[in-house]
Amino acid sequence: AQKVTQAQTEISVVEKEDVTLDCVYETRDTTYYLFWYKQPPSGELVFLIRRNSFDEQNEISGRYSWNFQKSTSSFNFTITASQVVDSAVYFCALRDNYGQNFVFGPGTRLSVLP
Amino acid sequence: EAGVAQSPRYKIIEKRQSVAFWCNPISGHATLYWYQQILGQGPKLLIQFQNNGVVDDSQLPKDRFSAERLKGVDSTLKIQPAKLEDSAVYLCASSATQSGPRGQFFGPGTRLTVL
Repeated sequence: AQKVTQAQTEISVVEKEDVTLDCVYETRDTTYYLFWYKQPPSGELVFLIRRNSFDEQNEISGRYSWNFQKSTSSFNFTITASQVVDSAVYFCALRDNYGQNFVFGPGTRLSVLP
Repeated sequence: EAGVAQSPRYKIIEKRQSVAFWCNPISGHATLYWYQQILGQGPKLLIQFQNNGVVDDSQLPKDRFSAERLKGVDSTLKIQPAKLEDSAVYLCASSATQSGPRGQFFGPGTRLTVL
């Protein structure tokens, strides 16, 4: 069975600090997809990134970066120079190659203090 | 482009009552999902439709939950009868295909409170 673990339940940082959110996954599939979603206080989940299991290149998008390491089954998310607007719950998710078995982690609540 | 629409946004019922939620996905999206998100947890997939066919309903409590997607567009999720543990936010999401590059687009959710 597929599983996603986000060991950090809550993180608090001061604005402009860098912060890394951890994600560890379990799957028996050789082809799979990993996602990160943001859920701000308004409640609506917002897609951030998708990464397939064959692409281990790290990705950077503005202040966001993602580190995918297949050897340790991890897909960590770093926010550089955090801002108050980054305060939200962040979910890591895993899906199989056929677009099924979508599994979310428990989420990490990030609070960025001014 | 209009997003995923859900109604109602909030619903309060007593246990053993029935309730129904409605979802209108993004136009042209073939895949529709219903999730249950209990406070403090990640979303749990209840059912996934591809057009008007069910792809995955392995985690749907079929003794009380039912869902349909007539004509492959709108969908309704029903709970009958509701239990206290059904209190949660029910999220609807859609994607153009099952394996779309952007994952899913989510609606605002329906917050259900069962008293």
